[in-house]
Amino acid sequence: DAKTTQPPSMDCAEGRAANLPCNHSTISGNEYVYWYRQIHSQGPQYIIHGLKNNETNEMASLIITEDRKSSTLILPHATLRDTAVYYCIVRVARTGNQFYFGTGTSLTVIP
Amino acid sequence: IAGITQAPTSQILAAGRRMTLRCTQDMRHNAMYWYRQDLGLGLRLIHYSNTAGTTGKGEVPDGYSVSRANTDDFPLTLASAVPSQTSVYFCASSDSGRVGTDTQYFGPGTRLTVL
Repeated sequence: DAKTTQPPSMDCAEGRAANLPCNHSTISGNEYVYWYRQIHSQGPQYIIHGLKNNETNEMASLIITEDRKSSTLILPHATLRDTAVYYCIVRVARTGNQFYFGTGTSLTVIP
Repeated sequence: IAGITQAPTSQILAAGRRMTLRCTQDMRHNAMYWYRQDLGLGLRLIHYSNTAGTTGKGEVPDGYSVSRANTDDFPLTLASAVPSQTSVYFCASSDSGRVGTDTQYFGPGTRLTVL
């Protein structure tokens, strides 16, 4: 699975959009981009995933560049409850294929 | 619907003792996984099961065993616990019915301390 690079930490003002970048320059054609987050002491929570098209759901939007070498997770109106570690993971969607979580980006939403 | 449940929530265990961490899911997912999370190391896969009756080794399987007798349950056993197995353990499940939908959903975790 391709390796990802994320900034170790970011701050965002409450109510503003949080834009979390991820670099995955070695991504292969059949690898998806997944985003999870982990709030302190809880299990990882699935946010969104995509292959090459931009995706949106009730939690966030995922913007993938045309060359697929990077992506951005957007939380449109960050709240204090969005403070968490966010993980960008690139992997082939195959059963038994683990998720390599890495160290992620620690997002702090500031009141 | 509960999703994934894990038991116990936390446990303190003497080294050398046997321990089974329980994981149950009610989503009828065919695949299940066990991860451990240690500070600075992220989550690492211990064992997984693609379907009932089959299991496979992950990144860090030594010292752990699993079984998958049915779809819903995936217990993780430490035959003789050692202090290096002190960690937070997460169980996950996924439904791989369609390509691109192999999203893993995680349980709340078990915090294990081996003394």
